[in-house]
Amino acid sequence: DTGVSQDPRHKITKRGQNVTFRCDPISEHNRLYWYRQTLGQGPEFLTYFQNEAQLEKSRLLSDRFSAERPKGSFSTLEIQRTEQGDSAMYLCASSLETGEAFFGPGTRLTVL
Amino acid sequence: DQQVKQNSPSLSVQEGRISILNCDYTNSMFDYFLWYKKYPAEGPTFLISISSIKDKNEDGRFTVFLNKSAKHLSLHIVPSQPGDSAVYFCAARDSGTYKYIFGTGTRLKVLA
Repeated sequence: DTGVSQDPRHKITKRGQNVTFRCDPISEHNRLYWYRQTLGQGPEFLTYFQNEAQLEKSRLLSDRFSAERPKGSFSTLEIQRTEQGDSAMYLCASSLETGEAFFGPGTRLTVL
Repeated sequence: DQQVKQNSPSLSVQEGRISILNCDYTNSMFDYFLWYKKYPAEGPTFLISISSIKDKNEDGRFTVFLNKSAKHLSLHIVPSQPGDSAVYFCAARDSGTYKYIFGTGTRLKVLA
């Protein structure tokens, strides 16, 4: 399968714990995006990378959130000191410089 | 500020008939428009796209129409099939930032 993959698919954690998600994009795609989706809403932009450079972060992304793409391939999204409001589906997508973004299956985070 | 709007949260259509999903946008910097289909607990799946320099793009049963003067696009599915039942998201790409901005989705139900 050469699509976008995300790990884990589901994560249940207690409030205050740190969590980290991984995204592996389509191999030739140089752009990588992170989105968050809650029930009844469309995906909301969080941040994106071109190769290893993080080009933009949404105001939605508090200081507790950090994302990296160290070698311009896979990316990680870390949430520190999780809160119940962080519960959502976290989506990763990748694209070429022009063209469509292709999404992974998402990581469902539940913060208890 | 909702830059991409899908004003119909739901739509029901009989099998074999045409489904028309609508989307409005406000940002003149959008240069590329996309439709995604989403099933529960999965990431969005790319369906069809259109560049801002075109007014129509067709792919099998799916056709997207773009009216730039009205800042409106629509997705036509004909004939509709029960397997088309899903949530459909309209998205637009900002030509300056390359972010994809999503609408809130329309839930399509195709009745057999």
